[in-house]
Amino acid sequence: QVQLVQSGTEVKRPGASVKVSCKASGYTFTSWYIHWVRQAPGQGLECMGIINPNDGTTTYAQRFQGRVTMTRDTSTSTVYMEVSSLRSEDTAVYYCARERQAVFDSWGQGTLVTVSS
Amino acid sequence: DIVMTQSPDSLAVSLGERATINCKSSQSVLNNSNNKNYLAWYQQKPGQSPKLLIYWASTRESGVPDRFSGSGSGTDFSLTISSLQAEDVAVYYCQQYVSTRSIRTFGQGTKVEIK
Repeated sequence: QVQLVQSGTEVKRPGASVKVSCKASGYTFTSWYIHWVRQAPGQGLECMGIINPNDGTTTYAQRFQGRVTMTRDTSTSTVYMEVSSLRSEDTAVYYCARERQAVFDSWGQGTLVTVSS
Repeated sequence: DIVMTQSPDSLAVSLGERATINCKSSQSVLNNSNNKNYLAWYQQKPGQSPKLLIYWASTRESGVPDRFSGSGSGTDFSLTISSLQAEDVAVYYCQQYVSTRSIRTFGQGTKVEIK
């Protein structure tokens, strides 16, 4: 079955960077786009960007342009999302999600990133 | 960007009663070339990842109980739970996906509780 397994909880200082991983299994990794979605405490869902695992092309939400980088490693079926210049407002749960027929049919378990001095 | 607005923000419904959530998009999500509405609904239970319930505005994802149904077209949509069960307590989100390779947008969410 399709599985997306994310890396564990992170605690970072303001100004630092964080890199979250999402390992896919149960399907052909290069066939489906992966999206990253974040959820601040008690808040809704916000899409950050998309990566095409086949060729590595990305699209980022405008508000994250310049601060977010998405990459992939086809040898391990893993996608990564790095956020730089962290601030307290980046404290959130970060999810990866697979796109199938334009919707998000499978989600990772989420990675909590806490930014605190 | 397309803005999605849900109403109400929360509702409390008795077990076995109907719950209806509305979602309005700032522009049409209907693709006239294939007559499909690019609108999905997700359920997020406390402490869990979101789960896809409905896509193309009214198509249930495999395994989703038939008490969940979606309707609407263009800019106005609804998710209905015909007979609320205890396990349906969750936050529900609508999402537009009118352009592939684009950044999706979600509604702000509607919290459903038991009265």
